[in-house]
Amino acid sequence: DAKTTQPTSMDCAEGRAANLPCNHSTISGNEYVYWYRQIHSQGPQYIIHGLKNNETNEMASLIITEDRKSSTLILPHATLRDTAVYYCIVRVATGGGNKLTFGTGTQLKVEL
Amino acid sequence: DVKVTQSSRYLVKRTGEKVFLECVQDMDHENMFWYRQDPGLGLRLIYFSYDVKMKEKGDIPEGYSVSREKKERFSLILESASTNQTSMYLCASSLSGGAVGGYTFGSGTRLTVV
Repeated sequence: DAKTTQPTSMDCAEGRAANLPCNHSTISGNEYVYWYRQIHSQGPQYIIHGLKNNETNEMASLIITEDRKSSTLILPHATLRDTAVYYCIVRVATGGGNKLTFGTGTQLKVEL
Repeated sequence: DVKVTQSSRYLVKRTGEKVFLECVQDMDHENMFWYRQDPGLGLRLIYFSYDVKMKEKGDIPEGYSVSREKKERFSLILESASTNQTSMYLCASSLSGGAVGGYTFGSGTRLTVV
């Protein structure tokens, strides 16, 4: 399984863009990059995923490098409610299921 | 919206008790998962199921079993609860195949074994 490496914590000023990096240098060609976040005392929430093209949705943008060895999640205008642990995950498929292996993530703190 | 419901938010059980944690999803998802979350260790996969009556071990299955008799329900069983099973337990579900989006998680059950 491809492993991911993320910084333990990051700070961001409210209203500014939050750029969360993730390294996944051993990713395989058919593995997707997923991002989730977990706000305190809640279950993780899906944000976005991608294979090799950059992706954008109403929550965030995902930039994947051309060699696919790293990616960046961008929250364009961070708010206090974006304070959470952000997980970068490379998805493996095992049998009929598609399990996700979570690391310890990045604690993002958005401050005034 | 997909909803994953875990039967209890907080649970306190005694050592040696048999404990059932129930999870129900309402969107006809094939895959269901049980994780536990502990400080400093992140989320660790206990068991998952990709079909009714099918199950696969995750990374830390010891001390746990699961049951999936119906597609919408996935139960985690602690046959004889121990204090080291005190944790937050999270259930999730997803569709099968391809990049069809992600998991939907329940709100979690905080289990304390005394």
